[in-house]
Amino acid sequence: DGGITQSPKYLFRKEGQNVTLSCEQNLNHDAMYWYRQDPGQGLRLIYYSQIVNDFQKGDIAEGYSVSREKKESFPLTVTSAQKNPTAFYLCASKPGWGTEAFFGQGTRLTVV
Amino acid sequence: AQSVTQLGSHVSVSEGALVLLRCNYSSSVPPYLFWYVQYPNQGLQLLLKYTTGATLVKGINGFEAEFKKSETSFHLTKPSAHMSDAAEYFCAQTGNQFYFGTGTSLTVIP
Repeated sequence: DGGITQSPKYLFRKEGQNVTLSCEQNLNHDAMYWYRQDPGQGLRLIYYSQIVNDFQKGDIAEGYSVSREKKESFPLTVTSAQKNPTAFYLCASKPGWGTEAFFGQGTRLTVV
Repeated sequence: AQSVTQLGSHVSVSEGALVLLRCNYSSSVPPYLFWYVQYPNQGLQLLLKYTTGATLVKGINGFEAEFKKSETSFHLTKPSAHMSDAAEYFCAQTGNQFYFGTGTSLTVIP
C-alpha cells in the first residue's frame, strides 16, 4: 500500500533537547514538504525538497533542520533553538508541478 | 506570490442544511486548486481538485466546488450537511509549492 508514514504519532521531549521526526514515502514522489500546524494558524511551511540532496527553507525554518539523502525519506529535526516547538507537524509529498499533495498522519510534538 | 484566502474561520450549519465554505485564490495561469479535509489529530485528505476542464468539480462525500475565474473563487458546497462533515477544511493552490488558506472549522448542529 503506497503512502506517507510519519512516526511517531505522539512525541514528548524535554526543553532543550533536539528531536527528529520521521517521514517516509513509497509513492516515488520527488517533492517532499514539512508543515507546522498551530490552532487557528493553518499550515505553515518549514522546509521543502524537490530532489534528493537539495532542500529549501520555507516561511518558518528557524530552529529546524532537514536532510534528504534518499528519495523516500525527509526527516525533520527540531532543535533547541526553536523557541516554541510544541505543535502538530505534517509531512507531505507530491509527484510534480501542479499536482495534489499527499499527507502523512502527522506527529504531535509536546515539549515540556 | 500565490495566496489563498478562506472567508470565515468558523462555520456552523444545521444537519441537513447547505454547506458553503468560501475560498478565493490569487490569479495564476493556470490555477491548480484543491480542497482538503482534516479530522482531529489526522493528516489532510483530498476532497477534490481543479486542474483544467469542467468548472464544476465533484469530490468525495458529496462535496463539490465551482471554479469561477471572473471572481477568482473556488467555493466548496454540499447540499445537505451530515454530522460526519464536522472537520477543518483547507483550500489550497499549487504550482511547485502548496499555498494553503488558514482553514475553516465546520460545526454541524444536530
